[in-house]
Amino acid sequence: DAKTTQPPSMDCAEGRAANLPCNHSTISGNEYVYWYRQIHSQGPQYIIHGLKNNETNEMASLIITEDRKSSTLILPHATLRDTAVYYCIVRAASSFGNEKLTFGTGTRLTIIP
Amino acid sequence: EPEVTQTPSHQVTQMGQEVILRCVPISNHLYFYWYRQILGQKVEFLVSFYNNEISEKSEIFDDQFSVERPDGSNFTLKIRSTKLEDSAMYFCASISPGYPPAYYTFGSGTRLTVV
Repeated sequence: DAKTTQPPSMDCAEGRAANLPCNHSTISGNEYVYWYRQIHSQGPQYIIHGLKNNETNEMASLIITEDRKSSTLILPHATLRDTAVYYCIVRAASSFGNEKLTFGTGTRLTIIP
Repeated sequence: EPEVTQTPSHQVTQMGQEVILRCVPISNHLYFYWYRQILGQKVEFLVSFYNNEISEKSEIFDDQFSVERPDGSNFTLKIRSTKLEDSAMYFCASISPGYPPAYYTFGSGTRLTVV
């Protein structure tokens, strides 16, 4: 799986949009970008994933650049409960589904009241 | 929304003792995983399990570790003779394969403390 690079930490004011960048310059054509977060020591929580088109769900939006070498996770109206470590993970698509996730150190996002 | 359930939430054990960590994956999922996270460190893959056998394991998953799905619903991780360095959060995860690619659902974890 391709390696990802994320800033170690970011702050965001409560109510503002949080924009978390991720670089994945060696991503392959069949690799998806996944975002998970980990609140305190809880289990990682799935947020969103995409291949090349921008995606939006009830939690967040994912913007992937046209060359797919980077992406941005957007939390549109951050709340204190969004304080967590956010992981950007690139994973190959497969109908077998047995590819493990490789976690990096992620971005520690702190929402400021 | 379906959940992955892990028990116990906390386990304290003496060094050298055996522990069994339990997980109930989402019922229609086919692949099962154990990950661990030592305090302050990354989440690390331990093992994946499919069709009643291990499909992949990491170098961490040595002979003291074993997994099984004894009754078609539970998925267990056994550590035969615990060491101090086994102290960590252990997370179970499951996924159902297919297109478009699905996502892993993780349990809330078991905090294992070896004393």
